[in-house]
Amino acid sequence: EAQVTQNPRYLITVTGKKLTVTCSQNMNHEYMSWYRQDPGLGLRQIYYSMNVEVTDKGDVPEGYKVSRKEKRNFPLILESPSPNQTSLYFCATEDSLSYEQYFGPGTRLTVT
Amino acid sequence: GENVEQHPSTLSVQEGDSAVIKCTYSDSASNYFPWYKQELGKRPQLIIDIRSNVGEKKDQRIAVTLNKTAKHFSLHITETQPEDSAVYFCAVTLAGGTSYGKLTFGQGTILTVHP
Repeated sequence: EAQVTQNPRYLITVTGKKLTVTCSQNMNHEYMSWYRQDPGLGLRQIYYSMNVEVTDKGDVPEGYKVSRKEKRNFPLILESPSPNQTSLYFCATEDSLSYEQYFGPGTRLTVT
Repeated sequence: GENVEQHPSTLSVQEGDSAVIKCTYSDSASNYFPWYKQELGKRPQLIIDIRSNVGEKKDQRIAVTLNKTAKHFSLHITETQPEDSAVYFCAVTLAGGTSYGKLTFGQGTILTVHP
């Protein structure tokens, strides 16, 4: 079954404590991205990756890091989380022929 | 960069009525315009898309129209049903260009269909 997985699904943490949200896909898609979803702001792209070792900033990259060492994995790293990073995060892959985005189930992050 | 505005932010209709959601964008080079539906507590899923060489596309009760000159596109849902209640997002990108992968979403529209 083609899928995008994220872990953890829910996370409550404190300001400044480094965390990583993992994203994995089994569709062999080259393109992957991270979004955050906030009420009234829609989905905003954080980072995207065109392939292994190739990443670029989206619209709201501040406070986040990513890496793409393997095609199937694209982790999102928050080195020093702050309360304004409390949000719902989605990882997505893209079919390079149809351009359709396939989203993961989401990670709800709360930073206190 | 690309700027996408989506209206209305909320839309309430009676079952059987039509619903229209509109998006405007700023980059005239953009050429791919998808719409995503997000049901409560779930992930967004593609429901229909249109490319810049087409003015209209239909899939059963949903359709999308594109006006490249005015830089706006709209989602039309006819004969709405309660299961159409969800958040709808438009998106814009330059597919296949140098900004490959740079997808910009609208702010979302909460559609409620009352039985």
